[in-house]
Amino acid sequence: QQQVKQSPQSLIVQKGGISIINCAYENTAFDYFPWYQQFPGKGPALLIAIRPDVSEKKEGRFTISFNKSAKQFSLHIMDSQPGDSATYFCAASKEGFNDMRFGAGTRLTVKP
Amino acid sequence: EAGVTQSPTHLIKTRGQQATLRCSPISGHTSVYWYQQALGLGLQFLLWYDEGEERNRGNFPPRFSGRQFPNYSSELNVNALELEDSALYLCASSLGTGDLEKLFFGSGTQLSVL
Repeated sequence: QQQVKQSPQSLIVQKGGISIINCAYENTAFDYFPWYQQFPGKGPALLIAIRPDVSEKKEGRFTISFNKSAKQFSLHIMDSQPGDSATYFCAASKEGFNDMRFGAGTRLTVKP
Repeated sequence: EAGVTQSPTHLIKTRGQQATLRCSPISGHTSVYWYQQALGLGLQFLLWYDEGEERNRGNFPPRFSGRQFPNYSSELNVNALELEDSALYLCASSLGTGDLEKLFFGSGTQLSVL
């Protein structure tokens, strides 16, 4: 069932550094690619999302880069802060289709 | 405004028993989704309810079932519990059919099967 592969499983970054999480998908019918952030004891919350008609989307310190030909997308967190320490999930879905496929998650730790 | 609420927070059952998990969506949201979050596996789609009807289900056995009530709250039932059913069960709600861009998650029910 897993159609989205996410890496790395865990990531440790120094405060102020850049965190990069990568995802690859298989189904070319996917056309919505969100990233979710999950803190311990909480449900995932939508962080940022992109559609394949653009190659990059930026919201504050968070940027999604999208490579349609390679079927890959990534999350960049600039100037990483300890408060960014959380688990991040990429996902992919076909518009109007509810069966969103999630990556296995990346546990990010930002050291002060 | 209250978010998606789930109860109970934790549930401990023994193998073979039945578990019932509950979810109240955000006010005004008609679609409810259930996901299973097992350790290291990310989120796996279980069920989708909209306007009281089951619209789709993921690749799970029939002992995973549920329903949506007229007030749009939802219940997930897991029969004949197995050890591998131990996971965090997340409920999410959205405004309407397939409106994935506005998917809001609850904090989940941690189910432990002993």
